[in-house]
Amino acid sequence: SQKIEQNSEALNIQEGKTATLTCNYTNYSPAYLQWYRQDPGRGPVFLLLIRENEKEKRKERLKVTFDTTLKQSLFHITASQPADSATYLCAPGNNDMRFGAGTRLTVKP
Amino acid sequence: DTAVSQTPKYLVTQMGNDKSIKCEQNLGHDTMYWYKQDSKKFLKIMFSYNNKELIINETVPNRFSPKSPDKAHLNLHINSLELGDSAVYFCASSQGLAGISYEQYFGPGTRLTVT
Repeated sequence: SQKIEQNSEALNIQEGKTATLTCNYTNYSPAYLQWYRQDPGRGPVFLLLIRENEKEKRKERLKVTFDTTLKQSLFHITASQPADSATYLCAPGNNDMRFGAGTRLTVKP
Repeated sequence: DTAVSQTPKYLVTQMGNDKSIKCEQNLGHDTMYWYKQDSKKFLKIMFSYNNKELIINETVPNRFSPKSPDKAHLNLHINSLELGDSAVYFCASSQGLAGISYEQYFGPGTRLTVT
């Protein structure tokens, strides 16, 4: 069955460092992959979309890679700030879109 | 202006009752969705509607029935509520079908507690 795994439930890093979050999928060949941010008590907010024919996508301090051979996407936040603390969800998609369980990122000042 | 709105934000009810959650989007999107997020924070799709037609109907109990009176509204009606229905329900919309990789816009969620 299709499976989506995000590297860890929680990730703590120091302000200014780069946060790297991992999304692995199995039994699945998504045509694209999206990343969302979710704050406590709120709905997810779209951040970035990357397609299977794209290796990398950037938006400000965010960078996403998509390796269809490894069946993996990496999500990077450079120069992280306490305001980046949130849960980040990956969502590979084809005819529909399925979400991973998320990684809760905490950036400490 | 709220893009995707849901009412109510909180809903506390007893087992066996019937309740509805309403969703409205003012983005002019063609597709709307209902998701359930359980206590473990897993976000699972329940239904998807495109231009008022049901596209995705995941394996959810038939006690759950979505209704789309028009493109901008997608309501969720739940019959005979059970303890396991307690969760946060999110409505979302997108410009087109998820299969064409459109980003989704989520509402604030409705926290349903069944006692």
